[in-house]
Amino acid sequence: DIQMTQSPSSVSASVGDRVTITCRASHGIGRWLAWYQQKPGKAPKLLISAASSLQSAVPSRFSGSGSGTDFTLTISNLQPEDFATYFCQQTKNVPWTFGQGTKVEIK
Amino acid sequence: EVQLVESGGGLVQPGGSLRISCTASGFTFSSYEMNWVRQAPGKGLEWVSYISVSGSTIYYADSVKGRFTISRDDARNSLYLQMNTLRAEDTAVYFCVRYSEVTAGTFDYWGQGTLVTVSS
Repeated sequence: DIQMTQSPSSVSASVGDRVTITCRASHGIGRWLAWYQQKPGKAPKLLISAASSLQSAVPSRFSGSGSGTDFTLTISNLQPEDFATYFCQQTKNVPWTFGQGTKVEIK
Repeated sequence: EVQLVESGGGLVQPGGSLRISCTASGFTFSSYEMNWVRQAPGKGLEWVSYISVSGSTIYYADSVKGRFTISRDDARNSLYLQMNTLRAEDTAVYFCVRYSEVTAGTFDYWGQGTLVTVSS
């Protein structure tokens, strides 16, 4: 199985800050990586597919990059509605696996 | 609007069985591969099971293989998960999730989830 490791597990930031979350795969996955946002009590929402393709209606302050084993999710100009938990997922091989999550909290 | 609505969750004793369901609307259900993903309280996401269009291909996570069965009824726009020999560690919110090859194999729509609690 491909293990996905996210860091940090949590980050405290202020509105307007830039936040970067990293995700590392235990084996190369090309660009087969997705990012999801989850708010408390809600289902995850797909933000980015194929490492860097922003889904429709997702604000452009979200961006993704990387390939192979190392990936990043960057949130520029953090907004109040961005405080949530973010998960990466490898979509290359079954079993599909997720990172453990990064909680973005208000400083 | 795509909607996935899960139902059937509840409290069940260890060793018991439960079937949860998902009703889809807003898209051509029969044309999409589907999944179940779960999330234990306060924990991360765990993929559970996948079923292809027409049900010809099915995958399971090792943690549920031999105990859970995924199925679909395209005439009813419904996805099911039959869960047998339940354990405490199966306690989680179970999400019905649409799989999209268009978005590079991502889970593009999620239901709101149904809580399954395994406890005596």
